[in-house]
Amino acid sequence: QKEVEQDPGPLSVPEGAIVSLNCTYSNSAFQYFMWYRQYSRKGPELLMYTYSSGNKEDGRFTAQVDKSSKYISLFIRDSQPSDSATYLCAMTGYYSFNKFYFGSGTKLNVKP
Amino acid sequence: SQTIHQWPATLVQPVGSPLSLECTVEGTSNPNLYWYRQAAGRGLQLLFYSVGIGQISSEVPQNLSASRPQDRQFILSSKKLLLSDSGFYLCAWSHAGTSVIYEQFFGPGTRLTVL
Repeated sequence: QKEVEQDPGPLSVPEGAIVSLNCTYSNSAFQYFMWYRQYSRKGPELLMYTYSSGNKEDGRFTAQVDKSSKYISLFIRDSQPSDSATYLCAMTGYYSFNKFYFGSGTKLNVKP
Repeated sequence: SQTIHQWPATLVQPVGSPLSLECTVEGTSNPNLYWYRQAAGRGLQLLFYSVGIGQISSEVPQNLSASRPQDRQFILSSKKLLLSDSGFYLCAWSHAGTSVIYEQFFGPGTRLTVL
């Protein structure tokens, strides 16, 4: 079983839709959770960072962590064509801070 | 602010040739440094990470090697490239393990094609 599972998509939505991206994980020691956005042929860009359980909001983006279910989500409101990219989840824990575990990425296409 | 550089941006090499990819970080000291490979349409594969000068941990046994000659410099090398070495190589850094900041930041990447 992989440490982190992420639906690869692709996910295609119309402009203005609410997008939900998800990851599940198996290691209960993970405490720090990140979402990256990667445009084609570019390096991943850190979007959101959360610690432990709860929600964090930044503009149109909301990151949600449910440690009891080992499930994290990224919500994008009012999606724009410029949001079209691959979204990667990542996580690490207090006892594994030298290593980060990534999902395989979900490709999102927002149609005008 | 911190920045991370990688070069070259693009590289086309014949099978059996050597490889040297370089990564440097500015604006921070004693970072943890990482090399990843990303194959087309796939996730990130951790190749090496380093917590200090001369300290390299290898995650995947293969014909690649890494070195950290200076605090903020990380080099990925190979003596003889294989076709399977083609991919998108990403360097990343994070704050040292004793820090309370755990994000990881990526460079722009090097696209390597082995023919």
